[in-house]
Amino acid sequence: EPEVTQTPSHQVTQMGQEVILRCVPISNHLYFYWYRQILGQKVEFLVSFYNNEISEKSEIFDDQFSVERPDGSNFTLKIRSTKLEDSAMYFCASSVGQNNQPQHFGDGTRLSIL
Amino acid sequence: AQSVTQLGSHVSVSEGALVLLRCNYSSSVPPYLFWYVQYPNQGLQLLLKYTSAATLVKGINGFEAEFKKSETSFHLTKPSAHMSDAAEYFCAVRFPQGGKLIFGQGTELSVKP
Repeated sequence: EPEVTQTPSHQVTQMGQEVILRCVPISNHLYFYWYRQILGQKVEFLVSFYNNEISEKSEIFDDQFSVERPDGSNFTLKIRSTKLEDSAMYFCASSVGQNNQPQHFGDGTRLSIL
Repeated sequence: AQSVTQLGSHVSVSEGALVLLRCNYSSSVPPYLFWYVQYPNQGLQLLLKYTSAATLVKGINGFEAEFKKSETSFHLTKPSAHMSDAAEYFCAVRFPQGGKLIFGQGTELSVKP
């Protein structure tokens, strides 16, 4: 069964450094998402991406964040200047469509900011 | 405001007992509803989804959920718990014409032998 893959599984970065989290969505999916889960808290929506542009973003997704689909298969999340509070598990998801179409999640990247 | 509430951050049952995990939503229009399960160090796996075809939805691993519009609920049940069901369970909603999922706080299920 096709799945969403994320790399790396764990990223440790110094505060202030840039980090790029990578995702390969399921190949026939058209909608792409990033979520994060701070330890002990609920899963929070960051951004959705469709047709090569951001379709929705949350208030968490400020100017430090960006997303890109550089080559038609990868979907990346960049944090330009990381802060301690960016430490979290980041999940990528993809879906065929919206509404009742389920989102399929990767195993996540655990980001630790020192 | 649109929201999802899961009652009980931690539920503990004995092996073979009924599992009941509660989920209520707040919305002016019926949303699309999902249950996901997260095993340790893994991503979110879809258990089942409600899409208005039937109010009782069957999912994987013997789980099912019933949509009750009058109660704005979508509780998850399983008649007989198994040790392998120990995990964190998330209820999520998606509103018509929307893309993002809004998650509940999660319920950690423990299964005692």
